[in-house]
Amino acid sequence: QKEVEQDPGPLSVPEGAIVSLNCTYSNSAFQYFMWYRQYSRKGPELLMYTYSSGNKEDGRFTAQVDKSSKYISLFIRDSQPSDSATYLCAMSVQGAQKLVFGQGTRLTINP
Amino acid sequence: GAVVSQHPSRVICKSGTSVKIECRSLDFQATTMFWYRQFPKQSLMLMATSNEGSKATYEQGVEKDKFLINHASLTLSTLTVTSAHPEDSSFYICSATERGTEAFFGQGTRLTVV
Repeated sequence: QKEVEQDPGPLSVPEGAIVSLNCTYSNSAFQYFMWYRQYSRKGPELLMYTYSSGNKEDGRFTAQVDKSSKYISLFIRDSQPSDSATYLCAMSVQGAQKLVFGQGTRLTINP
Repeated sequence: GAVVSQHPSRVICKSGTSVKIECRSLDFQATTMFWYRQFPKQSLMLMATSNEGSKATYEQGVEKDKFLINHASLTLSTLTVTSAHPEDSSFYICSATERGTEAFFGQGTRLTVV
Protein backbone atom coordinates (compact mmCIF):
# COMPACT_ATOMS: atom_id res chain seq x y z
CA GLN A 1 0.00 0.00 0.00
CA LYS A 2 1.33 3.43 -0.94
CA GLU A 3 1.68 6.00 1.82
CA VAL A 4 -0.32 8.50 -0.22
CA GLU A 5 -3.04 7.52 -2.67
CA GLN A 6 -4.35 9.87 -5.33
CA ASP A 7 -6.59 9.04 -8.25
CA PRO A 8 -4.57 9.85 -11.38
CA GLY A 9 -7.68 10.62 -13.41
CA PRO A 10 -7.84 12.02 -15.98
CA LEU A 11 -10.61 14.32 -14.82
CA SER A 12 -12.40 16.51 -17.34
CA VAL A 13 -14.97 19.16 -16.36
CA PRO A 14 -16.63 22.14 -18.07
CA GLU A 15 -15.46 25.67 -17.41
CA GLY A 16 -17.08 27.19 -14.34
CA ALA A 17 -17.58 23.87 -12.56
CA ILE A 18 -16.44 23.17 -9.02
CA VAL A 19 -13.60 20.69 -9.00
CA SER A 20 -12.87 18.36 -6.11
CA LEU A 21 -9.51 16.65 -5.84
CA ASN A 22 -8.67 14.21 -3.07
CA CYS A 23 -5.91 12.20 -1.45
CA THR A 24 -5.88 9.60 1.26
CA TYR A 25 -2.91 8.62 3.33
CA SER A 26 -1.89 5.95 5.78
CA ASN A 27 0.76 7.61 7.95
CA SER A 28 -0.96 9.20 10.93
CA ALA A 29 2.23 11.10 11.73
CA PHE A 30 1.78 13.43 8.74
CA GLN A 31 1.19 16.97 9.98
CA TYR A 32 1.89 19.14 6.93
CA PHE A 33 -0.26 18.98 3.84
CA MET A 34 0.29 20.70 0.52
CA TRP A 35 -1.21 20.95 -2.90
CA TYR A 36 0.96 21.64 -5.92
CA ARG A 37 0.00 22.39 -9.50
CA GLN A 38 2.27 21.09 -12.23
CA TYR A 39 2.03 22.05 -15.87
CA SER A 40 3.48 19.72 -18.45
CA ARG A 41 7.28 19.54 -18.30
CA LYS A 42 7.47 22.14 -15.54
CA GLY A 43 8.26 22.02 -11.84
CA PRO A 44 5.43 21.91 -9.27
CA GLU A 45 4.00 25.22 -8.08
CA LEU A 46 2.86 25.47 -4.47
CA LEU A 47 -0.86 26.27 -4.27
CA MET A 48 -1.90 25.56 -0.71
CA TYR A 49 -0.08 24.76 2.51
CA THR A 50 -1.87 23.53 5.61
CA TYR A 51 -0.68 22.47 9.00
CA SER A 52 -2.75 19.87 10.86
CA SER A 53 -6.52 19.74 10.37
CA GLY A 54 -8.97 22.30 9.13
CA ASN A 55 -9.79 24.41 6.12
CA LYS A 56 -7.80 27.04 4.29
CA GLU A 57 -9.07 29.29 1.55
CA ASP A 58 -7.13 31.30 -1.00
CA GLY A 59 -9.13 32.90 -3.77
CA ARG A 60 -10.85 30.19 -5.79
CA PHE A 61 -8.98 27.42 -3.95
CA THR A 62 -9.98 25.74 -0.69
CA ALA A 63 -7.95 23.05 1.01
CA GLN A 64 -9.43 20.74 3.61
CA VAL A 65 -7.67 18.32 5.92
CA ASP A 66 -9.45 15.63 7.91
CA LYS A 67 -6.82 13.88 9.96
CA SER A 68 -9.33 11.56 11.62
CA SER A 69 -10.17 10.11 8.21
CA LYS A 70 -6.68 10.59 6.78
CA TYR A 71 -8.20 12.46 3.88
CA ILE A 72 -7.37 15.76 2.25
CA SER A 73 -9.17 17.69 -0.45
CA LEU A 74 -8.64 20.61 -2.78
CA PHE A 75 -11.65 22.45 -4.18
CA ILE A 76 -11.43 24.77 -7.16
CA ARG A 77 -14.36 27.11 -7.68
CA ASP A 78 -15.27 28.76 -10.96
CA SER A 79 -12.73 26.59 -12.76
CA GLN A 80 -10.92 28.10 -15.74
CA PRO A 81 -9.19 26.49 -18.73
CA SER A 82 -5.92 27.83 -17.30
CA ASP A 83 -6.48 25.54 -14.30
CA SER A 84 -5.86 22.56 -16.59
CA ALA A 85 -2.79 20.85 -15.13
CA THR A 86 -1.74 17.97 -12.94
CA TYR A 87 -2.48 18.50 -9.26
CA LEU A 88 -0.24 16.80 -6.74
CA CYS A 89 -0.92 16.38 -3.07
CA ALA A 90 2.08 16.16 -0.79
CA MET A 91 2.51 15.66 2.90
CA SER A 92 5.15 15.29 5.55
CA VAL A 93 5.83 14.78 9.19
CA GLN A 94 8.11 17.78 9.38
CA GLY A 95 7.40 20.70 7.08
CA ALA A 96 9.41 20.61 3.88
CA GLN A 97 11.40 17.57 4.97
CA LYS A 98 10.82 14.28 3.17
CA LEU A 99 7.68 15.24 1.30
CA VAL A 100 5.66 12.26 0.14
CA PHE A 101 3.72 12.93 -3.02
CA GLY A 102 0.59 11.46 -4.47
CA GLN A 103 0.65 10.28 -8.06
CA GLY A 104 -1.06 13.44 -9.25
CA THR A 105 -4.48 13.98 -10.85
CA ARG A 106 -4.55 15.22 -14.40
CA LEU A 107 -7.30 17.85 -14.72
CA THR A 108 -8.71 19.37 -17.89
CA ILE A 109 -11.14 22.29 -17.85
CA ASN A 110 -13.06 22.47 -21.09
CA PRO A 111 -14.13 25.91 -22.41
CA GLY B 1 5.96 32.71 -3.50
CA ALA B 2 9.70 32.31 -3.43
CA VAL B 3 11.56 31.71 -6.69
CA VAL B 4 13.79 28.73 -7.35
CA SER B 5 15.68 28.64 -10.62
CA GLN B 6 16.97 25.41 -12.11
CA HIS B 7 19.34 25.13 -15.04
CA PRO B 8 19.47 23.69 -17.63
CA SER B 9 15.85 22.96 -18.43
CA ARG B 10 16.81 20.13 -20.70
CA VAL B 11 20.05 18.37 -21.57
CA ILE B 12 21.06 15.53 -23.83
CA CYS B 13 24.30 13.76 -23.12
CA LYS B 14 26.17 10.72 -24.32
CA SER B 15 26.30 7.56 -22.27
CA GLY B 16 29.29 7.57 -19.93
CA THR B 17 29.56 11.33 -19.56
CA SER B 18 28.64 13.46 -16.54
CA VAL B 19 26.01 16.15 -16.32
CA LYS B 20 25.68 18.94 -13.77
CA ILE B 21 22.35 20.52 -12.85
CA GLU B 22 22.17 23.77 -10.89
CA CYS B 23 19.48 24.86 -8.46
CA ARG B 24 19.40 28.43 -7.16
CA SER B 25 17.13 30.20 -4.71
CA LEU B 26 16.79 33.70 -6.16
CA ASP B 27 15.12 35.71 -3.43
CA PHE B 28 15.73 33.79 -0.24
CA GLN B 29 18.43 31.85 1.52
CA ALA B 30 17.75 28.14 1.33
CA THR B 31 18.72 26.37 4.50
CA THR B 32 17.85 23.08 2.90
CA MET B 33 17.54 21.93 -0.69
CA PHE B 34 16.02 18.73 -1.99
CA TRP B 35 16.47 16.77 -5.19
CA TYR B 36 13.66 14.74 -6.71
CA ARG B 37 13.28 12.49 -9.68
CA GLN B 38 10.07 12.06 -11.66
CA PHE B 39 9.38 9.39 -14.25
CA PRO B 40 6.61 9.89 -16.85
CA LYS B 41 3.14 9.79 -15.32
CA GLN B 42 4.59 9.04 -11.93
CA SER B 43 5.00 11.06 -8.80
CA LEU B 44 8.07 12.81 -7.49
CA MET B 45 10.49 10.63 -5.57
CA LEU B 46 12.88 12.22 -3.14
CA MET B 47 16.50 11.41 -3.95
CA ALA B 48 18.42 13.39 -1.37
CA THR B 49 18.35 16.24 1.11
CA SER B 50 21.20 18.72 1.40
CA ASN B 51 21.98 21.37 3.96
CA GLU B 52 24.41 24.15 3.23
CA GLY B 53 27.94 23.15 4.12
CA SER B 54 27.03 19.56 4.97
CA LYS B 55 27.06 16.26 3.15
CA ALA B 56 23.81 15.32 1.51
CA THR B 57 21.56 12.67 2.98
CA TYR B 58 20.48 10.17 0.36
CA GLU B 59 17.28 8.15 0.32
CA GLN B 60 17.44 4.40 0.34
CA GLY B 61 18.33 2.99 -3.06
CA VAL B 62 19.92 6.19 -4.38
CA GLU B 63 23.60 5.79 -5.25
CA LYS B 64 25.52 8.65 -3.68
CA ASP B 65 28.56 8.05 -5.88
CA LYS B 66 26.44 8.34 -8.98
CA PHE B 67 24.39 11.35 -7.94
CA LEU B 68 26.81 13.84 -6.45
CA ILE B 69 25.23 16.71 -4.58
CA ASN B 70 26.99 19.87 -3.54
CA HIS B 71 25.39 22.62 -1.47
CA ALA B 72 28.23 25.10 -1.15
CA SER B 73 26.18 28.21 -0.43
CA LEU B 74 22.77 29.20 0.90
CA THR B 75 21.55 29.92 -2.60
CA LEU B 76 23.09 27.19 -4.74
CA SER B 77 22.98 23.42 -4.86
CA THR B 78 24.21 21.23 -7.70
CA LEU B 79 23.41 17.68 -8.73
CA THR B 80 25.96 15.89 -10.88
CA VAL B 81 24.91 12.68 -12.59
CA THR B 82 28.16 10.82 -13.13
CA SER B 83 28.79 8.26 -15.85
CA ALA B 84 25.25 8.67 -17.06
CA HIS B 85 23.42 5.78 -18.68
CA PRO B 86 20.12 5.66 -20.58
CA GLU B 87 18.30 4.43 -17.47
CA ASP B 88 19.25 7.72 -15.79
CA SER B 89 17.09 9.57 -18.29
CA SER B 90 14.39 11.29 -16.27
CA PHE B 91 13.00 14.60 -15.05
CA TYR B 92 15.06 15.94 -12.15
CA ILE B 93 13.58 18.65 -9.94
CA CYS B 94 15.05 20.57 -7.04
CA SER B 95 13.23 22.32 -4.25
CA ALA B 96 14.35 24.67 -1.52
CA THR B 97 13.08 25.85 1.80
CA GLU B 98 14.06 28.82 3.90
CA ARG B 99 12.32 28.09 7.17
CA GLY B 100 11.79 24.37 6.81
CA THR B 101 8.08 24.73 6.20
CA GLU B 102 7.05 25.40 2.59
CA ALA B 103 9.12 23.92 -0.18
CA PHE B 104 9.41 25.76 -3.51
CA PHE B 105 10.35 23.93 -6.65
CA GLY B 106 12.52 24.72 -9.63
CA GLN B 107 11.36 24.29 -13.20
CA GLY B 108 12.94 20.87 -13.55
CA THR B 109 15.60 19.44 -15.86
CA ARG B 110 14.79 16.84 -18.45
CA LEU B 111 17.84 14.63 -18.88
CA THR B 112 18.14 12.36 -21.88
CA VAL B 113 21.09 10.01 -22.07
CA VAL B 114 21.78 8.60 -25.53
